[in-house]
Amino acid sequence: GAGVSQSPSNKVTEKGKDVELRCDPISGHTALYWYRQSLGQGLEFLIYFQGNSAPDKSGLPSDRFSAERTGGSVSTLTIQRTQQEDSAVYLCASSRTRGSPEAFFGQGTRLTVV
Amino acid sequence: KNEVEQSPQNLTAQEGEFITINCSYSVGISALHWLQQHPGGGIVSLFMLSSGKKKHGRLIATINIQEKHSSLHITASHPRDSAVYICAVSGGTSYGKLTFGQGTILTVHP
Repeated sequence: GAGVSQSPSNKVTEKGKDVELRCDPISGHTALYWYRQSLGQGLEFLIYFQGNSAPDKSGLPSDRFSAERTGGSVSTLTIQRTQQEDSAVYLCASSRTRGSPEAFFGQGTRLTVV
Repeated sequence: KNEVEQSPQNLTAQEGEFITINCSYSVGISALHWLQQHPGGGIVSLFMLSSGKKKHGRLIATINIQEKHSSLHITASHPRDSAVYICAVSGGTSYGKLTFGQGTILTVHP
């Protein structure tokens, strides 16, 4: 596709359940980022993938959060045993690492934990 | 103190007014980004700059590396400019590993 695609756009889950959020980056973009936007916290970095390098997980808030990127393209962010404080909009972005490294954002997944 | 501070937090203007949003940062950076977020959540990157000034249509972004300060200007503002404007900084070669400001909510009245 032409842009970064995220699915689902909305997800409501019960506390304690696991959820998976998907991100399809722009074709050819080797860098992929996950961010979270929650009320009262603003935007925060979660995790960064660059090519085949080990991901930078420094922003993940707890070990319930994990992410993988298969084949250097699609990424999945998994939250295990969801808590109400996990409710937020999860945003994915991708960029090239040469030329213009500007990041392009997806529309986000709004996660609500009830 | 946040690493990235924006001011003002809220800004109301009349159509046609010249608007300035400020961003100060306290860390070394490789680039500074200005982002726009409309209601509904979609984020668009407006500018990425590491020095000087960039212009795109009615939008102008400047950065002063020595003073660790950037400004976003909107000339001849329009109600469709109403959005949240977010300043973010990146370090090293990870341009997308951003540290965000708290955002400025801009409302432009007709």
